[in-house]
Amino acid sequence: AQSVTQLGSHVSVSEGALVLLRCNYSSSVPPYLFWYVQYPNQGLQLLLKYTTGATLVKGINGFEAEFKKSETSFHLTKPSAHMSDAAEYFCAVSLQGAQKLVFGQGTRLTINP
Amino acid sequence: GAGVSQTPSNKVTEKGKYVELRCDPISGHTALYWYRQSLGQGPEFLIYFQGTGAADDSGLPNDRFFAVRPEGSVSTLKIQRTERGDSAVYLCASRPTGGSYNEQFFGPGTRLTVL
Repeated sequence: AQSVTQLGSHVSVSEGALVLLRCNYSSSVPPYLFWYVQYPNQGLQLLLKYTTGATLVKGINGFEAEFKKSETSFHLTKPSAHMSDAAEYFCAVSLQGAQKLVFGQGTRLTINP
Repeated sequence: GAGVSQTPSNKVTEKGKYVELRCDPISGHTALYWYRQSLGQGPEFLIYFQGTGAADDSGLPNDRFFAVRPEGSVSTLKIQRTERGDSAVYLCASRPTGGSYNEQFFGPGTRLTVL
């Protein structure tokens, strides 16, 4: 069965600093990988996804993630944090052909002025 | 266009009562999912519909939980004999026919509180 581990339930960075949110997955076959963002009292919004092809994936709001098969990782980065990036971020995995998403526990990102 | 909508946004009930949570998917989306998000956790899969039928209900925790989608659009999640442990945010998501790679569009959720 697949699983997702997000290292750090809470990450705090200064405005303008690098954002790095870590995600490791466990899967017996190459999965599809996703990052979702959740703002307070709102639904999950897809930031980016990896399916096949280029391992560096660019998403919305300046975020990107790199699929590293050897490390079973899919870390999310953004070069310069904005106050509006404060939210909860979820990494998720899905097997090719399967339908359900398996989510990590989430990382709450706080941006300090 | 309109996104996935869920009603009610909040539901408070007493232990032992029956509740229904409604999900209106994006028009034309044939796939519909229910997830449950407990406090401080990521969403957990409950059930997936393709059209009117439940294609995967492996995430339903027990027989108190049941979901229907009789006409292939709106879905209702039904919880009988609610328990305090059922308190969570229940999320619905839909996906279009032929939608690429499981991209699911989520609603804002229903926050269920069982007293």
